[in-house]
Amino acid sequence: DAGVTQSPTHLIKTRGQQVTLRCSPKSGHDTVSWYQQALGQGPQFIFQYYEEEERQRGNFPDRFSGHQFPNYSSELNVNALLLGDSALYLCASSLGTGYYEQYFGPGTRLTVT
Amino acid sequence: AQSVSQHNHHVILSEAASLELGCNYSYGGTVNLFWYVQYPGQHLQLLLKYFSGDPLVKGIKGFEAEFIKSKFSFNLRKPSVQWSDTAEYFCAVNPSGDDKIIFGKGTRLHILP
Repeated sequence: DAGVTQSPTHLIKTRGQQVTLRCSPKSGHDTVSWYQQALGQGPQFIFQYYEEEERQRGNFPDRFSGHQFPNYSSELNVNALLLGDSALYLCASSLGTGYYEQYFGPGTRLTVT
Repeated sequence: AQSVSQHNHHVILSEAASLELGCNYSYGGTVNLFWYVQYPGQHLQLLLKYFSGDPLVKGIKGFEAEFIKSKFSFNLRKPSVQWSDTAEYFCAVNPSGDDKIIFGKGTRLHILP
């Protein structure tokens, strides 16, 4: 039973560039949530995708966008990168929406220089 | 604004000591509550959860947590810690009907052998 997978593991980008992070949910799950975890902080909710649509969004600017594919995998895109976007980006999958237990992936470490 | 407060940022204990990590949240409605753990080099894992019913919930590895609604608290406990409990612990809240999980900043637990 494959868990949540994310790629790439690490990424280094320059200010102003764009980045795409990828997530495959746990087998059987259809909902993907994305979180940003800055150093020394807890994860912060970015948005959630279900049925290929963004269901809810946290307090993040429009530079952060996403997509969910028919196979339930998801991408997180960040445009016009800022130094403050450096963080661990976590993907979590669940079955359905709402409060259901979320399973987290290992994360993608993004460094913006 | 909805938030989660974890009172201790860094806790150091000796093996066999008892553990209690505090967690309070600010939200007036019905909530679902979680404790997640992140062992060194590993991804976030669910330790235990409370959705409804008995306010004393038991999780994996001997951990338990008590939901006290009047105090908006969900403290994590373990009677006797082991060296392998060294990890970072996150309290999290999901407002009922909401899609996001709100995390605290985490407590780094270090167990001395």
